[in-house]
Amino acid sequence: QQQVKQSPQSLIVQKGGISIINCAYENTAFDYFPWYQQFPGKGPALLIAIRPDVSEKKEGRFTISFNKSAKQFSLHIMDSQPGDSATYFCAARSFGGKLIFGQGTELSVKP
Amino acid sequence: DTAVSQTPKYLVTQMGNDKSIKCEQNLGHDTMYWYKQDSKKFLKIMFSYNNKELIINETVPNRFSPKSPDKAHLNLHINSLELGDSAVYFCASSQDLSGELFFGEGSRLTVL
Repeated sequence: QQQVKQSPQSLIVQKGGISIINCAYENTAFDYFPWYQQFPGKGPALLIAIRPDVSEKKEGRFTISFNKSAKQFSLHIMDSQPGDSATYFCAARSFGGKLIFGQGTELSVKP
Repeated sequence: DTAVSQTPKYLVTQMGNDKSIKCEQNLGHDTMYWYKQDSKKFLKIMFSYNNKELIINETVPNRFSPKSPDKAHLNLHINSLELGDSAVYFCASSQDLSGELFFGEGSRLTVL
């Protein structure tokens, strides 16, 4: 019940295309759903986040769609660029600030 | 000026040794964390401290002992290192238990 399942494991997208990464959770007590971006040799950095009372949040080319009834949320990257190539993690926050991460998606954007 | 800094960045050691990783944050945050990232890049929380008080202690072997001398520092000491301890260890901090997490750049531990 504490898991967050993320798919796909890897994704290859052409420059200018849309990248879509999906996550699903079970625990309805999760109260905050962030997405993190990690470049090789670096720590994860917050990209965008949403709370369960909102169905969509957009920041620039990045959009989170949240479906509370289905217990699913997704990250859409519009107009994907080679600089977006990184590993993306969804996460859900539990008790005590504990972030439970998905398994990660390695995104490669081809020029 | 690095917000969350960890030392050392790389650590190579033999099985059975004891080692420490240090973490400092200059963000004025109250909460600090240790996360472990395994070879498949899976990130899992190990510990969290809020105002120097232990809040989360996941099912981590007691060979791992965190220490928070003050709110700006959270160190991780590992006794009797095992091959399976090889991983990247990330320190993170947040304003409080509900704040955004800021991660350090990680400390890659290799146990031979």
